[in-house]
Amino acid sequence: AQRVTQPEKLLSVFKGAPVELKCNYSYSGSPELFWYVQYSRQRLQLLLRHISRESIKGFTADLNKGETSFHLKKPFAQEEDSAMYYCALGTGNQFYFGTGTSLTVIP
Amino acid sequence: DAGVTQSPTHLIKTRGQQVTLRCSPKSGHDTVSWYQQALGQGPQFIFQYYEEEERQRGNFPDRFSGHQFPNYSSELNVNALLLGDSALYLCASSLGLSEYLGNTIYFGEGSWLTVV
Repeated sequence: AQRVTQPEKLLSVFKGAPVELKCNYSYSGSPELFWYVQYSRQRLQLLLRHISRESIKGFTADLNKGETSFHLKKPFAQEEDSAMYYCALGTGNQFYFGTGTSLTVIP
Repeated sequence: DAGVTQSPTHLIKTRGQQVTLRCSPKSGHDTVSWYQQALGQGPQFIFQYYEEEERQRGNFPDRFSGHQFPNYSSELNVNALLLGDSALYLCASSLGLSEYLGNTIYFGEGSWLTVV
């Protein structure tokens, strides 16, 4: 069955420190993985997706099929990165979301 | 372009009642999906509408039903409300059935439903 696991509900880092938000998935087919972000009082929005291999706002994520992971990374965290982050697996016509990680960047 | 709009933003219902939530997709989008997000959880897929038909459904009981209109707007109906139905209901719109194109997916701000 499809499943997305984000082991950390809360994550705090200091400004300028590296940050990594973990995401593991289970899916028997070829996965489409995404990261969505929700800033305070804003709607859910796409941050990045693995197929485009792009860097958005300094964030990158590499799909590791061997470890079934899609961790989100940023070398230097900024205060404006504080938000809720959701990892999502796209299959067929729906997303499976993880439970989310709340990131707080401490000034 | 207002993007995806949902109404109402908040509502309170009593157990056993029925509720209807509404969604207008982003301009140019023809596919609407609904998600339920309980407190502390990620969004869970309820169902998807395209060409006025339910195309795919998640693991939700028949109490959850929907409709899509010719102008692509959609409604989510929940009958016989339970306390556990209290959640944020999100609408997402996209173009065509290939929902996982990523940047073609737009979410609304959601409707907060509280069942007492």
